[in-house]
Amino acid sequence: EEQLVESGGGLVKPGGSLRLSCEASGFTLSGYSLNWVRQTPGKGLEWVSSISASSSYIHYADSVKGRFTISRDGAKSSLQMNRLRVEDTAVYFCARVGGELRPFDLWGQGTLVTVSS
Amino acid sequence: QSVLTQPPSVSGAPGRRVTISCTGTSSNIGAGYDVHWYQQFPGTAPKVVMYDNSNRPSGVPDRFSGSKSGTSASLAITGLQAEDEADYYCQSYDRSLGGWVFGGGTKLTVL
Repeated sequence: EEQLVESGGGLVKPGGSLRLSCEASGFTLSGYSLNWVRQTPGKGLEWVSSISASSSYIHYADSVKGRFTISRDGAKSSLQMNRLRVEDTAVYFCARVGGELRPFDLWGQGTLVTVSS
Repeated sequence: QSVLTQPPSVSGAPGRRVTISCTGTSSNIGAGYDVHWYQQFPGTAPKVVMYDNSNRPSGVPDRFSGSKSGTSASLAITGLQAEDEADYYCQSYDRSLGGWVFGGGTKLTVL
């Protein structure tokens, strides 16, 4: 079964850092672009970042640019989150994309990040 | 404030038809970028129910259909069933922002 599994969420103080991981199983992640999407409790979806299959193309939402860094290595992708703010509190999903501008066809279950003092 | 605009809620009786609209701008839907639709149940990850405006993934009932015109798109569900009750999100690419954008989501209630 194809799966994506996120880990690394937790409680962190404002200004702190956290590193999320997304691990693939049941398929070869290297053939796909990877995205991170977050969802504030009770609210909608917000795209955060994307990385192409070759890591040549990396993009960030303006809300996280300069603070978050996406990377990938083999069957894993990571999202390094620095200088966290209260408004970064959300469930973070990783999602697979099969090609340029294709839909997000496989999602992980999400990991909760809470930024609070 | 989401870049793509959806009604917060829609409802319909079992067996009826509902439509969910998604309004964008000339930077996203109006620029020719395709619209994808996701269904999300509480506590679970979103799942694509329509891609490239009007294509259904395998396993999605043919009661679901999609369309796109100008700067808007819509998702229609006919023969409403209780199992369709969920949140629905539209998605497109925005060339001005250089990334993906989502609608604010629409909660579908089956009366």
